[in-house]
Order: sequence, then C-alpha cells, then structure tokens
Amino acid sequence: GAVVSQHPSWVICKSGTSVKIECRSLDFQATTMFWYRQFPKQSLMLMATSNEGSKATYEQGVEKDKFLINHASLTLSTLTVTSAHPEDSSFYICSAEWGGGYTFGSGTRLTVV
Amino acid sequence: GENVEQHPSTLSVQEGDSAVIKCTYSDSASNYFPWYKQELGKGPQLIIDIRSNVGEKKDQRIAVTLNKTAKHFSLHITETQPEDSAVYFCAASLYNYGQNFVFGPGTRLSVLP
Repeated sequence: GAVVSQHPSWVICKSGTSVKIECRSLDFQATTMFWYRQFPKQSLMLMATSNEGSKATYEQGVEKDKFLINHASLTLSTLTVTSAHPEDSSFYICSAEWGGGYTFGSGTRLTVV
Repeated sequence: GENVEQHPSTLSVQEGDSAVIKCTYSDSASNYFPWYKQELGKGPQLIIDIRSNVGEKKDQRIAVTLNKTAKHFSLHITETQPEDSAVYFCAASLYNYGQNFVFGPGTRLSVLP
C-alpha cells in the first residue's frame, strides 16, 4: 500500500518550453503532497507543499510563477516547470503523507537543452 | 529552523561487515526520524523510522537508535550485502499531518564483495 506514481521518469525539453510532472497517490488519498528538487550528489531540497484545493506553499527562494503546482484532487498533484532553462535541469521528486508515514515517487529527471 | 547533519559522507565496508551512519539535528521539537535509501536514478525508499518516544528500533539487519538528549540518531546495518550499496539519507521532522522533512546531506555506502 501507499504507493505514489510519478510520471514521466525522465524528460528532455528545449529551453523556453514548459514541462509538466504528475504525481499520483494510487491507493490512498493525499491531502498534502511535497515537491523536492535534487541536484547530482546532493540532498533533497523541499520546493513547495501542495495542498488539495488550495494554493501551494513555496519555500524561500523558489519562484512560484516558474514552478506551478496544482493539486486539484486528492490523488493528483502536478508540477509545471514554465519557460525551462538549462539551470532547471535536475531530479524532481514528489512525496505524500499517508496514515503510516511518508512515501516518495520514483522521481523525474528533467534535462533542458 | 531544523538543521540535520550526517556523517560520514562516504562509507566503504567489506561484505558481511557492519555499517553505521550518524545524524544530528538541531530542533528539539522534532519527533520523527526516518531513514531513506536511494538508488541511482530512483526516488528515496523508507527503510526504517523511529519516533521520539522510542530509543531503538530494529528490523532484521537494520536498526536505528535515538538519543533525544544529545539530539542524534544512528543507522546500523549488519551483515552488509552488495545490494545495500546506495545513498542513505536521514531526516528529521515534527510529525504532524502535512509537515515536511529536513534531510541530511546523505551518505554514499559502498559494500565491497
């Protein structure tokens, strides 16, 4: 139980385009999901907390207009990287809280060329 | 806010030996301490966690100890196997619904056959 499905697992996009990453809770309802960013050989850094039916809460230094988060249902949160640039290339990971703890998605490797 | 330190950053052990990874945290209010294993290109997977009302928890070859007074906790892996090779992250949080973690910087464990 408590599986979070994240898609796509990898994506390559051109600079200036937008990319959407989906995070779905498969067997539970997730009122709150978290989006993390991880650079190579570094730890996970929280970008934002996504709440179903309300605006996401962004961490300091994270541009909310660039990283659009939508949590329209109890099983789906999306992160859209708008006007992507090479410096946005990173590993993006979502997480959701369930009754027994927190579970993470498998991550999305974004490469902006 | 919470700050989590983790040592060592890299650890190499011979197959069958034990591995110990240590973490310290700064916020005495934190009461939930999970450990995650991350393999290359994948999301973190929970391997064991401990709450502040417990001093030690064991699950087969894996154990975690917590010293709330000193604000440190450790991961112990016995009888290491090559498949234990991965990056391990500790984290600390105040376990209320919707709270995020603060992750340590990670330890790259290599188990040599």
